[in-house]
Amino acid sequence: EPEVTQTPSHQVTQMGQEVILRCVPISNHLYFYWYRQILGQKVEFLVSFYNNEISEKSEIFDDQFSVERPDGSNFTLKIRSTKLEDSAMYFCASRSGQRMNTEAFFGQGTRLTVV
Amino acid sequence: AQSVAQPEDQVNVAEGNPLTVKCTYSVSGNPYLFWYVQYPNRGLQFLLKYITGDNLVKGSYGFEAEFNKSQTSFHLKKPSALVSDSALYFCAVRDYDYKLSFGAGTTVTVRA
Repeated sequence: EPEVTQTPSHQVTQMGQEVILRCVPISNHLYFYWYRQILGQKVEFLVSFYNNEISEKSEIFDDQFSVERPDGSNFTLKIRSTKLEDSAMYFCASRSGQRMNTEAFFGQGTRLTVV
Repeated sequence: AQSVAQPEDQVNVAEGNPLTVKCTYSVSGNPYLFWYVQYPNRGLQFLLKYITGDNLVKGSYGFEAEFNKSQTSFHLKKPSALVSDSALYFCAVRDYDYKLSFGAGTTVTVRA
């Protein structure tokens, strides 16, 4: 069964450093998303991406964040200068969009720890 | 804005007993509702969705959910719980741009 894959599974970085979280969405999917889950809190939407541009972003997704689809398969989230409060589990998701209201499929997540 | 609420942080049941995880929603327009499950150190797995049609939706792993418009609820149910159902369950509602708004999650513990 096709799945969304994320790498790395766990990343530790120093405050102020740049990190890139990588995702390979399901191959025929058209819509891509990043969510995050701070420990003990709910899953929050960060950004949606379609047709090589951001469709929508939350207020969390400030200038420190960027997304890119550098080739036909990868979808990346970059945090330019990490802060302690960026520590969270980051989930990538994709959706086919071939029918209305298709469900999103999530990756296993990348746990980011900023020290 | 669309939102869902999960009133219970934890649900504990004995194996073999019915399991219910509660979710209520607040939307403008027609609701598009989802249930996801998160096992320890794993991602979010899709269980089922309600878009339109029958109020009883059947999903993966023997789960089902009942959409109740008058009570604005979408409770997840399983007739006979298994120990392996122990996990964190999230209710979610789809916004106009297909982004999902999640509830706070309910931790289900099924004891043998």
